[in-house]
Amino acid sequence: QTVVTQEPSLTVSPGGTVTLTCGSSTGAVTSGYYPNWFQQKPGQAPRALIYSTSNTHSWTPARFSGSLLGGKAALTLSGVQPEDEADYYCLLYYGGAWVFGGGTKLTVL
Amino acid sequence: EVQLVESGGGLVKPGGSLRLSCAASGFTFSNAWMSWVRQAPGKGLEWVGRIKSKTDGGTIEYAAPVRGRFTISRDDSKNTLYLQINSLKIEDTAIYYCTTLGGSYTGYWGQGTLLTVSS
Repeated sequence: QTVVTQEPSLTVSPGGTVTLTCGSSTGAVTSGYYPNWFQQKPGQAPRALIYSTSNTHSWTPARFSGSLLGGKAALTLSGVQPEDEADYYCLLYYGGAWVFGGGTKLTVL
Repeated sequence: EVQLVESGGGLVKPGGSLRLSCAASGFTFSNAWMSWVRQAPGKGLEWVGRIKSKTDGGTIEYAAPVRGRFTISRDDSKNTLYLQINSLKIEDTAIYYCTTLGGSYTGYWGQGTLLTVSS
């Protein structure tokens, strides 16, 4: 069974920079896994942030960026705002199925 | 404005069946690849399955845990996506979201519909 791994929790100070990662039990994550990133706040539906590794949606704030880093997909938040406190999920494609990571709870403190 | 509105959730007994719907507007639904994602109470997101547009082959893919009990379909004349769930189990209790994942309109989500399976 394929497992997608994320940091369970991270804490960052307002104005700081934080990188969330997304790994695969099958090996290095490449662009062929079409990494997606989503943000979810309590009681709300998920919101898409990044697709296909590094592409942003029209509504994605400029402080969010996606990349590949050390064999993993990565989501970097630069100049973190208090409203960025949320759960973040990555999603990878395995040629017939998509698999979500377990999510990272980001605390802004 | 793109809108995805799910409906059909509710309280259902184990072993029962249910069909969820997702009404789409604000984009060319027939060209979109549509997915269902669910979220059990207090848990993370789980991809359920996807149906591609007919022009891209109409391929349907399912997550292994739901294969055989869940059926995804679409009616492009009604701009509506469906999820038929049979032999419902308590562990199917979740909010079910429809979303455009992949393809030309990737990134849109509905607000979800809650399905509770309980006796």
